[in-house]
Amino acid sequence: GAGVSQSPSNKVTEKGKDVELRCDPISGHTALYWYRQSLGQGLEFLIYFQGNSAPDKSGLPSDRFSAERTGGSVSTLTIQRTQQEDSAVYLCASSLLTEAFFGQGTRLTVV
Amino acid sequence: GESVGLHLPTLSVQEGDNSIINCAYSNSASDYFIWYKQESGKGPQFIIDIRSNMDKRQGQRVTVLLNKTVKHLSLQIAATQPGDSAVYFCAENISDYKLSFGAGTTVTVRA
Repeated sequence: GAGVSQSPSNKVTEKGKDVELRCDPISGHTALYWYRQSLGQGLEFLIYFQGNSAPDKSGLPSDRFSAERTGGSVSTLTIQRTQQEDSAVYLCASSLLTEAFFGQGTRLTVV
Repeated sequence: GESVGLHLPTLSVQEGDNSIINCAYSNSASDYFIWYKQESGKGPQFIIDIRSNMDKRQGQRVTVLLNKTVKHLSLQIAATQPGDSAVYFCAENISDYKLSFGAGTTVTVRA
């Protein structure tokens, strides 16, 4: 499809394990965002990629969180040594100039 | 019905009535604003946007009003329908199109 695609849609992991979440943005979109949404809460900014510029990592909550964007396209959000408080929906969005288009999110549950 | 961002995060409105959802934004330099709608289990979807050189913009059944003097944004939904039940987020462009989201308002439409 032509929209933002995220995988997996659901992920259950054991505390202490590492997880990787994938985002396929809309082709040609230069900007890519990662947000986290806890149950019933708003969107918490994590990281922002814009073209070839250095990413804005100011929202990453700890050094257990990292993200890459390869070739200006696909992005991977990695959470190391997951904790129960990492349980949330992780949303990816991409944009060309203004409007950001969101994926359906990955629901991460740490047990 | 009317709500104000963080102070009234829920709004209950009778089907057919008009809804007003309010949002206070933080950065006086923000020059672009978006309203998103998020239905249960889905990613946020674009509703309408407005640039800071405008104070009003109309879409289909929706109107966004921008008051830069008091840093206030509102979304008006005309003739609210059951399908309008969702969480509504305002977002402002902080810098280089990095979007910052408000806490969200849950709208429930009563039949």
